[in-house]
Amino acid sequence: KNQVEQSPQSLIILEGKNCTLQCNYTVSPFSNLRWYKQDTGRGPVSLTIMTFSENTKSNGRYTATLDADTKQSSLHITASQLSDSASYICVVSLFNDYKLSFGAGTTVTVRA
Amino acid sequence: EPEVTQTPSHQVTQMGQEVILRCVPISNHLYFYWYRQILGQKVEFLVSFYNNEISEKSEIFDDQFSVERPDGSNFTLKIRSTKLEDSAMYFCASTTNPPQETQYFGPGTRLLVL
Repeated sequence: KNQVEQSPQSLIILEGKNCTLQCNYTVSPFSNLRWYKQDTGRGPVSLTIMTFSENTKSNGRYTATLDADTKQSSLHITASQLSDSASYICVVSLFNDYKLSFGAGTTVTVRA
Repeated sequence: EPEVTQTPSHQVTQMGQEVILRCVPISNHLYFYWYRQILGQKVEFLVSFYNNEISEKSEIFDDQFSVERPDGSNFTLKIRSTKLEDSAMYFCASTTNPPQETQYFGPGTRLLVL
């Protein structure tokens, strides 16, 4: 069964600090990996999308990395802001498949 | 910036009743999806739709569920006889060219079945 596992489940950081979220997946054959941000009660919003040939992709203060050999990805948030408080979801898609496989998400709380 | 819209934002219904959730995908998108998220759980794929037919569906999407694109803009999810366990947030999404392109999600409809 295709799995997407994220860690930690939740974390609390102080405003201005950095943090890194982890994603391990067993999805195969792999097409691409995305990180989404989901605010409470809202739909997910795409942050980054990477194919198997890409190692890193940035979107402002968000930087995602991908190691397709070890099937691991990370999302690094730099200089966190209060508005970064949200759930961050790792999403993987299969090659030539329409649907997405979602991780359970990491809930990030940024405190002043 | 174009966005996916969904109506209603909240729906409360009695068990056994039919509900229709509506979505307006981004206008130039061709692939449409429904996902659900039970409170506190991860987002789950329900169904994908392309060229006026279902392209893929999950085991969750049983005979109680149906989708339709009744006109050129709306995309609907119907639950024929709701159950308590159908209570969830339902998200519509659309994209131009899966799986390479980003799926854009709507704000969701929160369905509560009593």
